[in-house]
Amino acid sequence: AQTVTQSQPEMSVQEAETVTLSCTYDTSENNYYLFWYKQPPSRQMILVIRQEAYKQQNATENRFSVNFQKAAKSFSLKISDSQLGDTAMYFCAFMKHLIGSSNTGKLIFGQGTTLQVKP
Amino acid sequence: GAVVSQHPSRVICKSGTSVKIECRSLDFQATTMFWYRQFPKQSLMLMATSNEGSKATYEQGVEKDKFLINHASLTLSTLTVTSAHPEDSSFYICSARDWASGGSYEQYFGPGTRLTVT
Repeated sequence: AQTVTQSQPEMSVQEAETVTLSCTYDTSENNYYLFWYKQPPSRQMILVIRQEAYKQQNATENRFSVNFQKAAKSFSLKISDSQLGDTAMYFCAFMKHLIGSSNTGKLIFGQGTTLQVKP
Repeated sequence: GAVVSQHPSRVICKSGTSVKIECRSLDFQATTMFWYRQFPKQSLMLMATSNEGSKATYEQGVEKDKFLINHASLTLSTLTVTSAHPEDSSFYICSARDWASGGSYEQYFGPGTRLTVT
């Protein structure tokens, strides 16, 4: 069974600074996806960034980037130039690869990290 | 992007009554929908996977007779909490996959429904 662990329940960062959220996972699969989702106070889940396990290059989306270490099963999220709107709960998630499998695409979430961006 | 709606956004019901929550994919067909439960400041807990035209697959520990899931069309799944009790009070979130995109990873989330049982 797959597991996802976020060891930082809460973090804070000053506006405009950089912060890194940690995530580790455990799986015996070779092909899979990893995601970071953001849940602001509105509680709407928003996809921040995704990474395919077969891609060695780390994904980036504007101010958000990941450090994907497949051998170490680590998938951290770096937020640069933090903004007040980044205040949210962040979830790391795992999904088995879909092609050629009976996988329905269910996500396995970590416990979440609450990030507070301070002005 | 694809939109998923949930109705109602919040509901209060009395203990012992049943309440239905709807999840709709507005601009795509969703052969697979997922239902989650979330307690304050906690993670999303997958309750069940709902496939159009077939019985839902429930996660271990989730009472099938308590949480009835129906996925009668490609755009609608419903979750009915039967004989609700205060401990069923929670935030319920649905998500849907756009199967037309083949092996797409993308999963779209609804805005959630806050259920309060008094």
